[in-house]
Amino acid sequence: SQQGEEDPQALSIQEGENATMNCSYKTSINNLQWYRQNSGRGLVHLILIRSNEREKHSGRLRVTLDTSKKSSSLLITASRAADTASYFCATDEVAGNNRLAFGKGNQVVVIP
Amino acid sequence: EPEVTQTPSHQVTQMGQEVILRCVPISNHLYFYWYRQILGQKVEFLVSFYNNEISEKSEIFDDQFSVERPDGSNFTLKIRSTKLEDSAMYFCASSPERRNEQFFGPGTRLTVL
Repeated sequence: SQQGEEDPQALSIQEGENATMNCSYKTSINNLQWYRQNSGRGLVHLILIRSNEREKHSGRLRVTLDTSKKSSSLLITASRAADTASYFCATDEVAGNNRLAFGKGNQVVVIP
Repeated sequence: EPEVTQTPSHQVTQMGQEVILRCVPISNHLYFYWYRQILGQKVEFLVSFYNNEISEKSEIFDDQFSVERPDGSNFTLKIRSTKLEDSAMYFCASSPERRNEQFFGPGTRLTVL
């Protein structure tokens, strides 16, 4: 089955800098969702972008979706130490029945 | 803000024992899910549930697994005879509509000895 794959796997940045993560997938999707996970904790929903959308903003988050390249990016602007976490993309596949297929995740460390 | 809750936060059991993991989805949500995450690996879909029946299940969700919505608020995952490889974090999620955001609970860490 299709799996999202994020790139890069690990990112270390200074507080105040922007962090960008990418995700690629292989099949047709209805939407793509980004989640944050702090170490050993639950998954926090960040943003959903539908297949007919190209860009979406939520606070300091900006998500883009390119269905022709089957890829998405998550940009966190003006990062804070509290943004230190793992970030996952998850795709809702057309072939599926509402299930999400998760990528491996990006570890982001924001240095104060 | 409404949240998905899960109990217990950590469950330790012996191989071969039955476990029941409990979830309370967000109250007006109609779609319910279980996922699991083995340590260091991806989050994997197990099962989705709607209108009191399973909508979809993965290859992982074999005859040892079952789900139930015994009342109007709880959603449970039962593993009939646990194996060592069932050790993982189990997440419950819910969504108000199909093809919508899925909101996850904090997870239950299952350790099978």
